[in-house]
Amino acid sequence: RKEVEQDPGPFNVPEGATVAFNCTYSNSASQSFFWYRQDCRKEPKLLMSVYSSGNEDGRFTAQLNRASQYISLLIRDSKLSDSATYLCVVNRGDYKLSFGAGTTVTVRA
Amino acid sequence: DAGVTQSPTHLIKTRGQHVTLRCSPISGHKSVSWYQQVLGQGPQFIFQYYEKEERGRGNFPDRFSARQFPNYSSELNVNALLLGDSALYLCASSYTGAKETQYFGPGTRLLVL
Repeated sequence: RKEVEQDPGPFNVPEGATVAFNCTYSNSASQSFFWYRQDCRKEPKLLMSVYSSGNEDGRFTAQLNRASQYISLLIRDSKLSDSATYLCVVNRGDYKLSFGAGTTVTVRA
Repeated sequence: DAGVTQSPTHLIKTRGQHVTLRCSPISGHKSVSWYQQVLGQGPQFIFQYYEKEERGRGNFPDRFSARQFPNYSSELNVNALLLGDSALYLCASSYTGAKETQYFGPGTRLLVL
């Protein structure tokens, strides 16, 4: 079983729509959680950290469910510039980040 | 402040050759991690170095090695290249390499023919 699993998508949504997707992680001892964004042929960039209480950054909302071991990301009022691959990332509290394979989102005009 | 820098940006090698990739972390960061990303997958952890010591190693063969220098820059070496080593090699830096955020460089795209 992979440490981090994501629905690969793609999610094709019109501008202004809301899109949400999850990832699951296998190690219950995981301590830190992140969403990174990766544009085509570019490096991953931190979108947001994910906290136990859930957190919001503008149009982006992240939730963490430790009991069920999943993390979610919701994007409201989608923009064309939100088109990217979103990587779910988990840290067990040591040195290693474990990445999911990514969820592809395409926002169309 | 400059972000993480990597060189070269692109590289073409043939099977059996070796390659050295370089990374300079963000100023003040003492930890460097290396990741391999093949097309269609998420990055896979190769190594982490902190204060010039190897802190961890992923599930990669001994053909992969790395080191960190006193100025905290790092090199990743891959010997006896295989076609399957073709990938984007990413370097990430952080203050201590523990559970804090890691910041990625632009990567080196390696093609092995």
